[in-house]
Amino acid sequence: NAGVMQNPRHLVRRRGQEARLRCSPMKGHSHVYWYRQLPEEGLKFMVYLQKENIIDESGMPKERFSAEFPKEGPSILRIQQVVRGDSAAYFCASSSGQKNTEAFFGQGTRLTVV
Amino acid sequence: TQLLEQSPQFLSIQEGENLTVYCNSSSVFSSLQWYRQEPGEGPVLLVTVVTGGEVKKLKRLTFQFGDARKDSSLHITAAQPGDTGLYLCAGDPPGTYKYIFGTGTRLKVLA
Repeated sequence: NAGVMQNPRHLVRRRGQEARLRCSPMKGHSHVYWYRQLPEEGLKFMVYLQKENIIDESGMPKERFSAEFPKEGPSILRIQQVVRGDSAAYFCASSSGQKNTEAFFGQGTRLTVV
Repeated sequence: TQLLEQSPQFLSIQEGENLTVYCNSSSVFSSLQWYRQEPGEGPVLLVTVVTGGEVKKLKRLTFQFGDARKDSSLHITAAQPGDTGLYLCAGDPPGTYKYIFGTGTRLKVLA
């Protein structure tokens, strides 16, 4: 998973605040995925983006969550008005977008809502 | 909705034993990946299988993709404590680039 950079690694927010999670994909990758992982569980797909496009957001909660991947800069997962249930590890993965290519993961951002 | 069910969910074995982890679905996948995740880290890709019936070996790990491309298995020979971790399978359904992850198998190898 070397090359996919997520920051911050740990983020603490009070209920009602906003959380911004950043993901810089591997060099040469233009496709980004965001996943959420609760303790002791697997990964749940949230959203799949290409540069400037949301391809599939079927896993995103309908309210408070948004994602973007601008032409320049990292992909951002934004959670507004956080609640305790948003506490989780959020992982970003990137790929080249070619069929059957692998996705490589970052080390995740652990969000704690207090 | 495509689902990937992994079994067993938890597995605790002694060093030197063999084990098999299964990843099953009622849906077809274009390819299937296996990852290992250690606490506090992101998943690390182990292997990708693409062709139905394909078998890949990675040292003591053997991966197989089912003939119908709906299931896969991971076999570890002579497990070592360093194999301890969460093993995840993931597949991309035809026509999408979305990776669906399995429920995970937590493996603990005791010295």
